[in-house]
Amino acid sequence: AQSVAQPEDQVNVAEGNPLTVKCTYSVSGNPYLFWYVQYPNRGLQFLLKYITGDNLVKGSYGFEAEFNKSQTSFHLKKPSALVSDSALYFCAVRGGGSGGYNKLIFGAGTRLALHP
Amino acid sequence: SAVISQKPSRDICQRGTSLTIQCQVDSQVTMMFWYRQQPGQSLTLIATANQGSEATYESGFVIDKFPISRPNLTFSTLTVSNMSPEDSSIYLCSVERGAGYTFGSGTRLTVV
Repeated sequence: AQSVAQPEDQVNVAEGNPLTVKCTYSVSGNPYLFWYVQYPNRGLQFLLKYITGDNLVKGSYGFEAEFNKSQTSFHLKKPSALVSDSALYFCAVRGGGSGGYNKLIFGAGTRLALHP
Repeated sequence: SAVISQKPSRDICQRGTSLTIQCQVDSQVTMMFWYRQQPGQSLTLIATANQGSEATYESGFVIDKFPISRPNLTFSTLTVSNMSPEDSSIYLCSVERGAGYTFGSGTRLTVV
């Protein structure tokens, strides 16, 4: 079965410091990995994805993520956090099982809390 | 990427009634996905809708409660039937295009 784990319910970061939001996955075959962000009372916004190629993926708003096959991880990072980055972050993996191989499975989400 | 129009954006419904949510995509897509996001939680896949065939439901979701229609390659509906307060959630549709996924803006449902 496919699954995604986000081990931290919340990450607290000071503005200007680097941030990391962790994600590990379990999936059959080669994974397609995604990060989405959800701001309060707003829809789901795409940040970045890994399909193949370079393990370091750069996305929107200065975010990046590193695919690590041996550790089955896809951690989200940003060199310098902004207060406006405060939101709910979801890691997702394209998995298989019933309904076809391309359904997207989401992690539980990690709330990023920035303080000045 | 695809553009999805989802409606209604929100609704308050009486228990025991049904609500139908619509998603219109600006281009043809093979599969459409319906998700539920309960308050403070992640997105859970309800079902996958293919045009011309029955939707495939995930464990814990049944067709009688969440009937889905997919009459063509650009449109789908999800009905939440015989609602109870536990059905209060955000419901989202999604499509895949070129290994990317686009989501509708969501329907915030409150059942009273």
